[in-house]
Amino acid sequence: AQSVTQPDIHITVSEGASLELRCNYSYGATPYLFWYVQSPGQGLQLLLKYFSGDTLVQGIKGFEAEFKRSQSSFNLRKPSVHWSDAAEYFCAVGARDSGGGADGLTFGKGTHLIIQP
Amino acid sequence: DVKVTQSSRYLVKRTGEKVFLECVQDMDHENMFWYRQDPGLGLRLIYFSYDVKMKEKGDIPEGYSVSREKKERFSLILESASTNQTSMYLCASSSIWADTQYFGPGTRLTVL
Repeated sequence: AQSVTQPDIHITVSEGASLELRCNYSYGATPYLFWYVQSPGQGLQLLLKYFSGDTLVQGIKGFEAEFKRSQSSFNLRKPSVHWSDAAEYFCAVGARDSGGGADGLTFGKGTHLIIQP
Repeated sequence: DVKVTQSSRYLVKRTGEKVFLECVQDMDHENMFWYRQDPGLGLRLIYFSYDVKMKEKGDIPEGYSVSREKKERFSLILESASTNQTSMYLCASSSIWADTQYFGPGTRLTVL
């Protein structure tokens, strides 16, 4: 069974500083990987996803993530954060052999991002 | 844009009541999912469905059931609500050819 670890429960970053959120996964083969963001009281919005190909993927709102097979990681990055980036961020893994995601995603427990002025 | 809607944003019920949470998607997606979200635990899959009248248990199905009579609608049922089912419930959908799941805004259920 797959699993996802987000080692940081909370991260505080100054506005304008760079950001990296960590995600490690456990899966027997190459997985589908996702980052979602959740603003307070809202549902989850997809930031970016990795299925195959280029290991550096670009997403919305200036985010990017890099898939590193050797480290089983899919870390999320942003060069300069804005106060509006304050939210909960979830990394998720989907099984490739499910034939279309029908088995659901496995989520990490989330990282709460706080932006200092 | 994909739109997933959930019938209520906030719901308060009493212990022992039967509770229905409704989810509707407008993109003709085959797959639909119900998750619950709790602080410190992230999202956990309750049930999913890959076709009308089909359902599969997720990681935490105990105390829940589901119904999918139409492709666009997926209902989560709490047969006899208990206080430990107080949570945020999120519905999602995806097409059969893509693993990207699209989420609704969530229903925050409180069971007193």
